[in-house]
Amino acid sequence: GAVVSQHPSRVICKSGTSVKIECRSLDFQATTMFWYRQFPKQSLMLMATSNEGSKATYEQGVEKDKFLINHASLTLSTLTVTSAHPEDSSFYICSATIGSSNEKLFFGSGTQLSVL
Amino acid sequence: QKEVEQNSGPLSVPEGAIASLNCTYSDRGSQSFFWYRQYSGKSPELIMFIYSNGDKEDGRFTAQLNKASQYVSLLIRDSQPSDSATYLCAVPPPTMDTGRRALTFGSGTRLQVQP
Repeated sequence: GAVVSQHPSRVICKSGTSVKIECRSLDFQATTMFWYRQFPKQSLMLMATSNEGSKATYEQGVEKDKFLINHASLTLSTLTVTSAHPEDSSFYICSATIGSSNEKLFFGSGTQLSVL
Repeated sequence: QKEVEQNSGPLSVPEGAIASLNCTYSDRGSQSFFWYRQYSGKSPELIMFIYSNGDKEDGRFTAQLNKASQYVSLLIRDSQPSDSATYLCAVPPPTMDTGRRALTFGSGTRLQVQP
């Protein structure tokens, strides 16, 4: 199957710093990528939909100025958590589809963010 | 009402037994349903999807869909300790929400297969 690479897999940072997470589709072009967040023992919650060459669409309650998404190419989307705080500690997962089919939805390996 | 609901579990079954995982959804217009498995600290992986009422089998896994009752289930035959994970049910966005294509996930059911 298609591969979505996500880095870093784990990051620990101090409160107030910014963290960038990269999501790459390695063997296909992804016009749309999705960013999810998952707190312990909870489900994946969609944060935003990232479209190549345009602004991301954020879900209600997700601060666009805090979670900056850049989808500059068909194979790369980045999520930057700005001025991270302990409550931002979570598991962040990106996903991408080939075309518009949910059958061909592939997930990155996730990034565990811990903010001290 | 949540779009997708699952019992959080844990569901504990002995090795070799059948594990039955259930999911209900709110949008009667939903056409496709997905089951994912997620190991602790890992991202979800697709097990199978189903579109039509009835059963769909893939190896030890069987998805069952009942659109009239708005539930979809996943059966795991001959459960193995390696099947111990959280199983997530997912559906596409409500039919009226044409602007969003991301899947909506249930909270997942944690399965424990006892050796």
